[in-house]
Amino acid sequence: LAKTTQPISMDSYEGQEVNITCSHNNIATNDYITWYQQFPSQGPRFIIQGYKTKVTNEVASLFIPADRKSSTLSLPRVSLSDTAVYYCLVVMDTGRRALTFGSGTRLQVQP
Amino acid sequence: DADVTQTPRNRITKTGKRIMLECSQTKGHDRMYWYRQDPGLGLRLIYYSFDVKDINKGEISDGYSVSRQAQAKFSLSLESAIPNQTALYFCATSDFGTGSGDTQYFGPGTRLTVL
Repeated sequence: LAKTTQPISMDSYEGQEVNITCSHNNIATNDYITWYQQFPSQGPRFIIQGYKTKVTNEVASLFIPADRKSSTLSLPRVSLSDTAVYYCLVVMDTGRRALTFGSGTRLQVQP
Repeated sequence: DADVTQTPRNRITKTGKRIMLECSQTKGHDRMYWYRQDPGLGLRLIYYSFDVKDINKGEISDGYSVSRQAQAKFSLSLESAIPNQTALYFCATSDFGTGSGDTQYFGPGTRLTVL
């Protein structure tokens, strides 16, 4: 099971780009990288998922280098409402295992 | 209407009481999960079910039991509640498909306090 490591917390200001990096050194060939966002007292919400290179959606971008041993979630022009905990997970494509959430990265956006 | 619902949303109980938390989903997903979250910490998996007849223990199943009554319903029971089971409990569902990972959809949570 691929273990992930990400910073405990980050601070930013409104309008800045925020990059949160996650390391997953023992990721397997069939694993995907997935990010979730959690606001206080709410369940986590899926943000983005990728296998390699770059994935972009309306919320974020996910950059995955060729060796796939790390990934970077990029949030463009953050606002106060982006203050949340962000979880990086490695998900097996073969499917016989549930997800494991670590402690995540607590992002605080200030005015 | 919400796709994943949890009842009750809040519950205060006493040590030794039996408590059941219920989860229902209208997403048609086969997979369902129960997590607990303690203040300032990440989610920890209690039990998960890949279909009605496939139930598995997670990392912290002691003191809990589950029942998958139907594809849409997954209940979590605390047979004899204790104060350190005070936490926020989340139910989630997913519809696994090869090539797309296993995106989970979470309910709003149940805040349980054991006195």
